[in-house]
Amino acid sequence: EDQVTQSPEALRLQEGESSSLNCSYTVSGLRGLFWYRQDPGKGPEFLFTLYSAGEEKEKERLKATLTKKESFLHITAPKPEDSATYLCAVHPADRGSTLGRLYFGRGTQLTVWP
Amino acid sequence: DVKVTQSSRYLVKRTGEKVFLECVQDMDHENMFWYRQDPGLGLRLIYFSYDVKMKEKGDIPEGYSVSREKKERFSLILESASTNQTSMYLCASSLTTGGSTLYEQYFGPGTRLTVT
Repeated sequence: EDQVTQSPEALRLQEGESSSLNCSYTVSGLRGLFWYRQDPGKGPEFLFTLYSAGEEKEKERLKATLTKKESFLHITAPKPEDSATYLCAVHPADRGSTLGRLYFGRGTQLTVWP
Repeated sequence: DVKVTQSSRYLVKRTGEKVFLECVQDMDHENMFWYRQDPGLGLRLIYFSYDVKMKEKGDIPEGYSVSREKKERFSLILESASTNQTSMYLCASSLTTGGSTLYEQYFGPGTRLTVT
C-alpha cells in the first residue's frame, strides 16, 4: 500500500501559468517531508524539507507548504527550465529500526512550454 | 556542498556476470542507500546501511547484496546479473542527526545499467 501519493502524474503548463502539485501521505507520524527535482537521466536534487503543519519554504518560483495529511508544491509563473519530475518523500516517525529511510512517491512530471 | 559520486554513468554487462556498483560520499554521512528507478515504478529501495558493516534490506533485495567496509563507501553487488536488473541505479546518503538538514538524502548522478 502506497504511503505517499502524488498527483497529478503529469502536468503540462504554459509558461507563466501558475499551478500546484500535490503530495498526500498516510503515515501516522511525520518526522519530515521532502521535495526533490529530477531531470531526465540524472539523480534527484534536494529542494525542501518541511517538518510541521503550517510550515512553508520558498525557492525562486517554488513554494512548498505542509498540512497534517498533504503537501503542496506551488509553482508561480513557471518557465520552461522548471520542466522536470518532482518527487515527494516522507520520513515516518514510527519506524525506529529503519532510521533514515524515506518513502518516495512516484512523482509528477511537469512540462512547461513556451 | 554534499557530493555523492557513482563509479559509472553507463554500464553494459552480460547475463550471469557479477556486477559491482560503487558509491562514495564526502560528507561523513552515517546513512547510505541504494535504489533502482524504473519508468512507472518510481524509486524502489534495494538496501541501506546506517553504519559501517551494518545493512538492512529494503523492498527489493533479491538478487543483490551490499558491502560497506568504510563509512564513505557503499557498494551494490549483482551476484549474477539478469536482464530484469536493467535499470537506473541511484545511490544516496544522509545524516542521522544534526541541524536543520536532518534525514534529507543527497543523491548521486545514477548508473544506467544494461544487462544483455
